[in-house]
Amino acid sequence: EAGVTQSPTHLIKTRGQQATLRCSPISGHTSVYWYQQALGLGLQFLLWYDEGEERNRGNFPPRFSGRQFPNYSSELNVNALELEDSALYLCASSPKWGATNEKLFFGSGTQLSVL
Amino acid sequence: ILNVEQSPQSLHVQEGDSTNFTCSFPSSNFYALHWYRWETAKSPEALFVMTLNGDEKKKGRISATLNTKEGYSYLYIKGSQPEDSATYLCAFEDSNYQLIWGAGTKLIIKP
Repeated sequence: EAGVTQSPTHLIKTRGQQATLRCSPISGHTSVYWYQQALGLGLQFLLWYDEGEERNRGNFPPRFSGRQFPNYSSELNVNALELEDSALYLCASSPKWGATNEKLFFGSGTQLSVL
Repeated sequence: ILNVEQSPQSLHVQEGDSTNFTCSFPSSNFYALHWYRWETAKSPEALFVMTLNGDEKKKGRISATLNTKEGYSYLYIKGSQPEDSATYLCAFEDSNYQLIWGAGTKLIIKP
C-alpha cells in the first residue's frame, strides 16, 4: 500500500512568487493535514481538509491557502512568498474525519526555500 | 491558548541505558494524546495514541503512560539503542479533534 506522497521534494522560489505543494493521502483516507516546520521550531498546524471541505486552519496569513480534490488529494498554495516561508512542509492523512483517536500518517515533506 | 510542553528539549543517553521524557498538556477538553517518532530524513511515525486516564501502551522497548487528570504523559525507552535516536513528538487532541503539538524531545544515543 502506498504511503502519503508529497511533491515536489524540494522547491526553490524567490520572494513574491507563488508556490504550490501537492499531497496524495493513503488510499481510503479522507482527512489531509498540512504542517509547517521552520528551522528550530515544532510542527505548526496550517490546514485541515476532510471530504473536500476546509475543517480548520492554523494561525497563518490568508496567503496560505489550499484545497482538497474529489480524490482526496490536496494542494497547498503559498502566495507572495516571504523569506520566512522557507521551511519543511509536511502533509499527513488519517482515515476519517478528525484525528478521532486515529494515527496520522505523514509524507516525507516538501522543503521550500525562498531566496 | 492551549500549550503542549515537552521536556527535556534534548537528551544524550548512553547506549544500553534506559530513559524517559515528559509531555505536559491541558487537562480540560481532552480527547487523546499522541506520541510520534521522527527520525532524521524520514517522516514522523506514530507510536501510540492513548485516550483513557491510566492508559499504558507498549511497543517493543518503548512504552508510554497517560495521566489525563494532571495533564502529563511519560515516554519510556528501555535499553536504548542507536536506532532510537530521533525526535519524539507528542500531540494533544482536544474534544474538537484539534491536534496541538509539542516542540519535541531530541534523543541522541551515544554508542
